Amino acid sequence: KAGVTQTPRYLIKTRGQQVTLSCSPISGHRSVSWYQQTPGQGLQFLFEYFSETQRNKGNFPGRFSGRQFSNSRSEMNVSTLELGDSALYLCASSLRVAGGPDTQYFGPGTRLTVL
Amino acid sequence: AQKITQTQPGMFVQEKEAVTLDCTYDTSDPSYGLFWYKQPSSGEMIFLIYQGSYDQQNATEGRYSLNFQKARKSANLVISASQLGDSAMYFCAMSGANRGNDMRFGAGTRLTVKP
Repeated sequence: KAGVTQTPRYLIKTRGQQVTLSCSPISGHRSVSWYQQTPGQGLQFLFEYFSETQRNKGNFPGRFSGRQFSNSRSEMNVSTLELGDSALYLCASSLRVAGGPDTQYFGPGTRLTVL
Repeated sequence: AQKITQTQPGMFVQEKEAVTLDCTYDTSDPSYGLFWYKQPSSGEMIFLIYQGSYDQQNATEGRYSLNFQKARKSANLVISASQLGDSAMYFCAMSGANRGNDMRFGAGTRLTVKP
């Protein structure tokens, strides 16, 4: 079974621009979560989508948004990029088992550099 | 609030020996899951092992075992017979049954296996 895929793997943008990252979950997985990883803040949860609906949201400004399509693929958008948005963005998919913690499987990440 | 603490920024182990990576946690959720992930320099987070808060037995997956002590709120990862390929960052993470896939991560431990 193919794993989680993320595109692009690397991105370089300038301040003020916007960016869209894409994530395709493992076949059959309906939940997609996004995380930001930086040296200073570590791994932080951005949001989770399940059945095309945002189910949870972390403590990030509204410049960070996402969506999920009917095939469970997800996109994450960051508008008005800031230098501090430079990070590894990881996508994770899971089955979203009801009533219990869910094992999340991660993709290879998209490394975003904001100049 | 949930919190994960990994107190060992870096660890060294000789090839073929066992090593224990420490993880303590704090949560008010009555039901939760504890996870360990490995992150090689490539950046992808690789799922290693899962322990549910109500599981009576410690989880094992091949060379990985989780030493779960609920009263002490600790979930240490034990890697037996270390291999050079085990050199990587290791993250302890937790999610609550009622928090969806909002997973909290520790700061990580960098493990280096010496030949």
